[in-house]
Amino acid sequence: AQSVTQLGSHVSVSEGALVLLRCNYSSSVPPYLFWYVQYPNQGLQLLLKYTTGATLVKGINGFEAEFKKSETSFHLSKPSAHMSDAAEYFCAVSDKGSSNTGKLIFGQGTTLQVKP
Amino acid sequence: SQTIHQWPATLVQPVGSPLSLECTVEGTSNPNLYWYRQAAGRGLQLLFYSVGIGQISSEVPQNLSASRPQDRQFILSSKKLLLSDSGFYLCAWSPRERGTDTQYFGPGTRLTVL
Repeated sequence: AQSVTQLGSHVSVSEGALVLLRCNYSSSVPPYLFWYVQYPNQGLQLLLKYTTGATLVKGINGFEAEFKKSETSFHLSKPSAHMSDAAEYFCAVSDKGSSNTGKLIFGQGTTLQVKP
Repeated sequence: SQTIHQWPATLVQPVGSPLSLECTVEGTSNPNLYWYRQAAGRGLQLLFYSVGIGQISSEVPQNLSASRPQDRQFILSSKKLLLSDSGFYLCAWSPRERGTDTQYFGPGTRLTVL
């Protein structure tokens, strides 16, 4: 069965510093992997996704993530944090064992704080 | 383009009262539909999903039920609310065809049960 672990429920960085949010997954089949962002009192917004092909995936708002099969990781990064990046971030893996339901398995989320 | 709507945006209800939250999707056909709940300080919990009209799968036993009376309409209900039903409820949809597991979320409904 697929699973997702996000390392660190809270991450704090200074404005302009590197952002690195960690995600490890478990999947018995080639995974589809996703990062979503949630701002307070809003729904989740897709940041980026990996399905097949290039392992470095670029998303919106300057974020990128690298799929590393050997490490079963899909860490999210951004070279320079902005105050507007403060939000909660969710990593997810497709539940491919559930036929055509499109279900995703979500991590518990990481709250990113950006200090001025 | 596709859009997803949820209403109401916020709701305050007394314990024991009924509940009906509605979600509709525009610009696509035959979507998979999902209801999630976020309790305070906790992650996403998948409550129900649907792959077609009248087809509802429940992920966890609870005080809630879901229905899909039309292709692009998904309703979350309760006959009697509990305090523990408070939370942020999110509806999402994904394309039915295989290989496109991306889920797209609505704006959410904040439910407070007093």
